[in-house]
Amino acid sequence: GAVVSQHPSWVICKSGTSVKIECRSLDFQATTMFWYRQFPKQSLMLMATSNEGSKATYEQGVEKDKFLINHASLTLSTLTVTSAHPEDSSFYICSAPTIPGFKQPQHFGDGTRLSIL
Amino acid sequence: GQQVMQIPQYQHVQEGEDFTTYCNSSTTLSNIQWYKQRPGGHPVFLIQLVKSGEVKKQKRLTFQFGEAKKNSSLHITATQTTDVGTYFCAVPFSKTSYDKVIFGPGTSLSVIP
Repeated sequence: GAVVSQHPSWVICKSGTSVKIECRSLDFQATTMFWYRQFPKQSLMLMATSNEGSKATYEQGVEKDKFLINHASLTLSTLTVTSAHPEDSSFYICSAPTIPGFKQPQHFGDGTRLSIL
Repeated sequence: GQQVMQIPQYQHVQEGEDFTTYCNSSTTLSNIQWYKQRPGGHPVFLIQLVKSGEVKKQKRLTFQFGEAKKNSSLHITATQTTDVGTYFCAVPFSKTSYDKVIFGPGTSLSVIP
């Protein structure tokens, strides 16, 4: 089945550090990927849509300069949390549909737990 | 924008009891998806419903899409400890959204052995 790989699984770092998270589609090409943030015991909140070869689309309230997204190839999207602070600590998950188009299920990466000290 | 509600927020059941979670939308939906997230894990796609009144079964799980395509339910018969997790419904972000979905708040299921 379709697999989405996310790396790293865990990150613990000091406040002010920038952290890069990678999301790869392993056996299919993903022209679109989605980035979510999930706080404990809460639902997934869509942060942005990553589009291969073009700028990401950010949801309302998500700072573009804070969460940099790059989708440089058909199999890789990266999310960089710049100058991370404790309030950025969360579970970040990427997803991608195996076939672009309406009504396609999402396949999720394993997620990255980010802890900012 | 699209709003989706799920009830209950939490459900604790004895192993062997049945469980149902409900998802309600403020607007008519083209489709609805259901996902399961185990504690510490990532969401896993369970099923997609498209047709009005559609009912689909996966072993002990029964999924239903309302006639008006505004609500859906997930029913688990004779729960097992492996059913523990949070169940999310996901609906299209908008009528013209392309892949983008929003997730309901989820129902967290605990099964007492």
